[in-house]
Amino acid sequence: DIQMTQSPSTLSASVGDRVTITCRASQGLGHWLAWYQQKPGKAPKLLIYKASVLQNGVPSRFSGNWSGTEFTLTISSLQPDDFATYYCQEYDNYPWTFGQGTKVEIK
Amino acid sequence: EVQLEQSGAEVKKPGESLRISCKTSGYTFTKYWIGWVRQMPGKGLEWMGIVFPRDSDARYSPSFQGQVIISADKSTATAYLQWTSLKASDTAMYYCARPSDGADFWGQGTLVIVSS
Repeated sequence: DIQMTQSPSTLSASVGDRVTITCRASQGLGHWLAWYQQKPGKAPKLLIYKASVLQNGVPSRFSGNWSGTEFTLTISSLQPDDFATYYCQEYDNYPWTFGQGTKVEIK
Repeated sequence: EVQLEQSGAEVKKPGESLRISCKTSGYTFTKYWIGWVRQMPGKGLEWMGIVFPRDSDARYSPSFQGQVIISADKSTATAYLQWTSLKASDTAMYYCARPSDGADFWGQGTLVIVSS
């Protein structure tokens, strides 16, 4: 099974900051990776799939990139609505695995 | 409009059985996998398993194999997550989700509390 190592676990940032979250896979999975945003008490929301494709309706300040087994989610200019927890998830072959999550907090 | 509507919160005792549901609408149920994700209090997300409603092909993550049963009813476009004997450690929020390219639609979650 593929293991996903997500970092950092917590990130303190200010409105307007550029932030980057990283997930590293234990083995190659091509571009079969998704990113989600979750707010307290709510279901996760899909932001990006196939490592870099923006889900419909997601603001363009979110972007995804990948190289080999390293995947990144970048928020180009952090907005108040973006303070949340973010998860990566690989979906190469079942069983699928989430990263441990990154909580983006207000600095 | 695609919707996944989950059944309500449950409070159960250890050893009891439980089935929670996820009623879908707005898409062809038999064309997509549907699955369940666990979130224990204050913790991250875990895929438990998925089922393909057309033929009831079910796949489980190793941690959940033998612990739960995932099924789907084509006639009502509803997915189910079932326990035969609950443990206190099953206390969690459970989400159903439709995995496509990533899970693009989610239910609102069902809170299950297991306590004596």
